[in-house]
Amino acid sequence: SQKIEQNSEALNIQEGKTATLTCNYTNYSPAYLQWYRQDPGRGPVFLLLIRENEKEKRKERLKVTFDTTLKQSLFHITASQPADSATYLCALVLNQAGTALIFGKGTTLSVSS
Amino acid sequence: DAGVIQSPRHEVTEMGQEVTLRCKPISGHDYLFWYRQTMMQGLELLVYFNNKAVMDDSGMPKDRFSAKMPNASFSTLKIQPSEPRDSAVYFCASSPPAGGMETQYFGPGTRLLVL
Repeated sequence: SQKIEQNSEALNIQEGKTATLTCNYTNYSPAYLQWYRQDPGRGPVFLLLIRENEKEKRKERLKVTFDTTLKQSLFHITASQPADSATYLCALVLNQAGTALIFGKGTTLSVSS
Repeated sequence: DAGVIQSPRHEVTEMGQEVTLRCKPISGHDYLFWYRQTMMQGLELLVYFNNKAVMDDSGMPKDRFSAKMPNASFSTLKIQPSEPRDSAVYFCASSPPAGGMETQYFGPGTRLLVL
């Protein structure tokens, strides 16, 4: 069966540490992968996109890796801050047009000061 | 731009009633998506449009759900009759014309509770 899983429902870390979130999938062949942030009572907001032939992508304190052999993406937030507390969703994008998205259920990150 | 606009933000109704959710996409975006989010299932695609035409509605229960896009700036998702299992947050999203690797822009959602 086809599955997409994010490593845990909740992750608690201290301010200043690096948060690492995991997204694993089986039986999909995504064209690329996206990460979204969702705050309570709001819609998801796009953060980063990584193609299948890219190993790593960075944006400010965010870093995403994508290993198509392991069928895994890692999402890192370095020097985490309480404002980073939110739910993070990974989404497999199954076509180039970006119309076929399969979302994971998300990991809720809490950063304590 | 104001972003994707959805109304109402909250809806409480009784089982059997008709519910209509509304969405205004970002101007110039050709694609419009309706998603449903629950704790159990996460975010699921119900239906999406390209240039006002339905492209894929395989995720939508067609016996009670219907989606329309009468013009480029307005879409509705209707549930008739509503059931308690329809309780969820419904998101509308839009994306620009396909140039490859597009991202989707989500609205704030409509929280629906069916009693």
